[in-house]
Amino acid sequence: QSALTQPASVSGSPGQSITISCTGTSSDVGGYNYVSWYQQHPGKAPKLMIYEVSNRPSGVSNRFSGSKSGNTASLTISGLQAEDEADYYCSSYTSSSTPLFGGGTKLTVL
Amino acid sequence: EVQLVQSGAEVKKPGESLKISCKGSGYSFTSYWIGWVRQMPGKGLEWMGIIYPGDSDTRYSPSFQGQVTISADKSISTAYLQWSSLKASDTAMYYCAGSVAATWGFDYWGQGTLVTVSS
Repeated sequence: QSALTQPASVSGSPGQSITISCTGTSSDVGGYNYVSWYQQHPGKAPKLMIYEVSNRPSGVSNRFSGSKSGNTASLTISGLQAEDEADYYCSSYTSSSTPLFGGGTKLTVL
Repeated sequence: EVQLVQSGAEVKKPGESLKISCKGSGYSFTSYWIGWVRQMPGKGLEWMGIIYPGDSDTRYSPSFQGQVTISADKSISTAYLQWSSLKASDTAMYYCAGSVAATWGFDYWGQGTLVTVSS
């Protein structure tokens, strides 16, 4: 069971939009609408940003949005802010009845 | 307020056993999945396994099957992660996480337990 595939890094300037992709297979991302996204700042516990592909938990900014097409899910952050600089991980429920993370993406706000 | 509170940092020697804990409060502990996540130094997040405390249904990620044991004591709203024989490669931060208000999204996290295994 290999990790879902994410770009190692993305960057953007304040105010811009960025998109992070998360590619899996029909046994995980493509097979279930249970993709979630987590933000992790250095030395902190992860924070849920998106669940069930596109739902935002209470308190998460609407600048964060999620989508899915086939075996690839995406997280879009609009109106980039300095505090968005962090590591981002996707996760999907799998046919093994366990969740699976992506390798993580480091977002740099220029 | 929903909280997951983990036990404190541990320093162990190779070959020793260890059991760390994650105590839930502020919600129905038996009704939601709890997961354990490993983060090795400077590396990404890895799901180790999940448990449903209501009936102790436990599922392990393939990489961790046979390497650790996940359990729960619903009488004290506590989940556990244990090793019978630690290795230096088990040195990592371990998080518990609960999927309470988001299906297969883990919306509550413990503060993490740092496990250091060194001779």
